[in-house]
Order: sequence, then C-alpha cells, then structure tokens
Amino acid sequence: QVLLVESGGGVVQPGKSLTLSCGASGFAFSNYALHWVRQAPGKGLEWVTGISYDGTKKEYIDSVNGRFTISRDDSKSTLFLEMKNLRVEDTAVYYCARDDGAALVATALEYWGQGTLVTVSS
Amino acid sequence: DIQMTQSPSSLSASVGDSVTITCRASQTVTTYLNWYQQKPGQAPKLLIYAASTLQSGVPSRFTASESGTEFTLTITSLQPEDFATYYCQQSSSSPLTFGGGTKLEIK
Repeated sequence: QVLLVESGGGVVQPGKSLTLSCGASGFAFSNYALHWVRQAPGKGLEWVTGISYDGTKKEYIDSVNGRFTISRDDSKSTLFLEMKNLRVEDTAVYYCARDDGAALVATALEYWGQGTLVTVSS
Repeated sequence: DIQMTQSPSSLSASVGDSVTITCRASQTVTTYLNWYQQKPGQAPKLLIYAASTLQSGVPSRFTASESGTEFTLTITSLQPEDFATYYCQQSSSSPLTFGGGTKLEIK
C-alpha cells in the first residue's frame, strides 16, 4: 500500500534552517507530483509547495518563496523540503502528500503522510 | 490567488441526520474541486475529487455537486465516524488553496 513517512521536524530558532524528508513506498514514485501542506496549531490546511513528477516544475506560496526549496530524489523515493530563515509563523505540522497525477494542478492530494511538527521559537 | 470560502465554519448534528457544507470559489475552478475529511490528530483523507467523484472506499452517504463556483458536500444518515472537520480545495490553478474548514460536531 502507499506509505508516506515524514521526518526531520523539531524545534528551531527564528532565522535558522531545517530540512524535512518524506520517504515513500508502495507506488512508482517517479510518476507522481508531490506536495507539502502545513497546518498551524488549531488552524486549517495550507498548501505550501509542490513539485511535478519530473522535478521540472515547482510552485510555492508567496510567504515561503525564496526561503523554502522543494526537491525530490527519485532514486531514493524521497521528497525534501529545505526551509531557511524560518519564522515563528512557519510553526506547523508539515504533511507530504502524493498527487493523483503527474502535474501540479487539475488533480487531488490522494495520499498523505502523518506529518512532522516544526516549531519555530526562541 | 483563488479564495475558497466554506460555510458554515461549524455545525452540530445528530447521528442519522443529513448535513450540507458549502464551498464557494472566488473565480471559476471548473470541476477542479476536492473535499477532504480530517479527524483530530490524523492526516486529511481525500473523500471526493473532480467536484463529485467519490474516492475509492468512501461510503456512498457522501455526495457532492457543483453549480458554477458553488460546491456542496452532503452527508446523509450521519454515522459516529463522520464527525470531523471537512475542507474543500481547488486545484484549478497554483497556488492550490483550501477552504477554512467546517467542523462537524455531535449534537
């Protein structure tokens, strides 16, 4: 079955960096677009970034553009989120999600990991 | 960015009731509208995609429809496991955006 497992979360000071990983199994990793979605404590869902199946297209929300970088390693079936210059408002559970297709739009987020908590605090 | 407005933000109902949640897009998303269910401490789960198509394994008491930029999710004959938070999400254009959520609570 499809399995997505996030790791790398933790407590970090404002201005510091952190890299999240999402290990995948149970499907042909290189055929699907992948996303990161976050949820601040007690709040709703916010899509953060996505990467197309071949890694050529990447999209970000404005608030993280230039600070976060999404990437993928198909040889290891792993999705990454490099986060730099972290802010208090980046505090959230970060979920990785597999698209039901290869593109970043006109699709749905079909499978989700259990999430990893990132806390940005001094 | 396309704004998704969900209503109501919370809803109380009893087991066996039927409820409807509405999601309105700020501009056309055609049928690129998905619905998710999230229970406390769990990841979201895809319920419905392409506005009205039931995801595999989701009970048929969940139905959805669309009319222009207004989308509805209806749950008939509520079961105890249906009490959760529901989100709509558009995938018509980037950035993908979610509605604010509707928390369905037991009356």
